[in-house]
Amino acid sequence: ETGVTQTPRHLVMGMTNKKSLKCEQHLGHNAMYWYKQSAKKPLELMFVYNFKEQTENNSVPSRFSPECPNSSHLFLHLHTLQPEDSALYLCASSQDAGATVTGELFFGEGSRLTVL
Amino acid sequence: GQSLEQPSEVTAVEGAIVQINCTYQTSGFYGLSWYQQHDGGAPTFLSYNALDGLEETGRFSSFLSRSDSYGYLLLQELQMKDSASYFCAVRDHKGFQKLVFGTGTRLLVSP
Repeated sequence: ETGVTQTPRHLVMGMTNKKSLKCEQHLGHNAMYWYKQSAKKPLELMFVYNFKEQTENNSVPSRFSPECPNSSHLFLHLHTLQPEDSALYLCASSQDAGATVTGELFFGEGSRLTVL
Repeated sequence: GQSLEQPSEVTAVEGAIVQINCTYQTSGFYGLSWYQQHDGGAPTFLSYNALDGLEETGRFSSFLSRSDSYGYLLLQELQMKDSASYFCAVRDHKGFQKLVFGTGTRLLVSP
């Protein structure tokens, strides 16, 4: 139990569907992240939210739309995805406080997405 | 571009010592982290080096040489449960935990 919960754990969707991934952290952190993990590739940073404000969009296609209503919740809305978007989507959180930044992210177990 | 190089796979036996190397080339550098990920599980934080030298945490140690853009994770007294993937990650932003990850090293520990 990492304190970061992701739902659903598995999702299968067609290319025309709309679905959402949800992440909730119970650690009191102020920053949240979406990463994509594909086989044989490094974890790819998608989005960063710091105090609910998006501070990073790593050239992610618009078919992925993040939402951060508060510091504890993060969503990834999915629309008109492609089969190559099939991957494990990991949510993470961290406590950022300037000089105490430690390189430590707390990850959820991920949502395994399959696009047919 | 940004890149972190790690061996794709390492094998060892129980009780042995193994070193997983990581060389990096990034636009900024504020520290090197290591993460462990078991199949089907979440990546979990192991260690962080911001300065040159060796950091020890139980059976695991991590080393950094900023002048060589190089670090390693050292695992001692290997156990079967250490079989997992290990990722190095560079923090390339001063203000928060924006990490660039390597491709990961799969460690297989045999009896």
